[in-house]
Amino acid sequence: KNQVEQSPQSLIILEGKNCTLQCNYTVSPFSNLRWYKQDTGRGPVSLTIMTFSENTKSNGRYTATLDADTKQSSLHITASQLSDSASYICVVSPRRGSQGNLIFGKGTKLSVKP
Amino acid sequence: DGGITQSPKYLFRKEGQNVTLSCEQNLNHDAMYWYRQDPGQGLRLIYYSQIVNDFQKGDIAEGYSVSREKKESFPLTVTSAQKNPTAFYLCASSIDPWEDTQYFGPGTRLTVL
Repeated sequence: KNQVEQSPQSLIILEGKNCTLQCNYTVSPFSNLRWYKQDTGRGPVSLTIMTFSENTKSNGRYTATLDADTKQSSLHITASQLSDSASYICVVSPRRGSQGNLIFGKGTKLSVKP
Repeated sequence: DGGITQSPKYLFRKEGQNVTLSCEQNLNHDAMYWYRQDPGQGLRLIYYSQIVNDFQKGDIAEGYSVSREKKESFPLTVTSAQKNPTAFYLCASSIDPWEDTQYFGPGTRLTVL
């Protein structure tokens, strides 16, 4: 069964600290993996997208990694800010143009405290 | 100012009533989607539409209906047949059916009283 598992479920860190969120997937075939940021009560916003051949992708203080062999991805946040408080969702596409077949993780809720 | 909008932001409904959630986009996107989000769960697909006058059921279509009469609009009706409608509903769009990057609206929180 195609699944996306994220850990931890929630995380609290102090402002300025770094953190890493994990995403493990059992999706086959595999086309690409996305990380979304969702502020409370808002829609998700895309942070990064990686295809099978990409190992690392950065977007400002956000760096995503992908190991297609072990089917693991991570999202590293550097020098966290209060505005990083949100849920981070990992989404896997089995094939390009999956439309209605995207596999969503349950998300990691990050709280950044001053 | 391009984007995807949903209205209303909060919606309250009595049991047994149908209610329609609005989703409009001015991004000139062909494909549109409706998702449901419940606490502690991943997004679940309700319906999606590849093109005007065409739509397909997602994983949890029972108790919901949609229409796609215009490219810009993809309203979702939550019917009385939906047994547990209280949830956060998200609309999304993508450039075309082959593009996986979806742009999400701000969501509508539906509460059944």
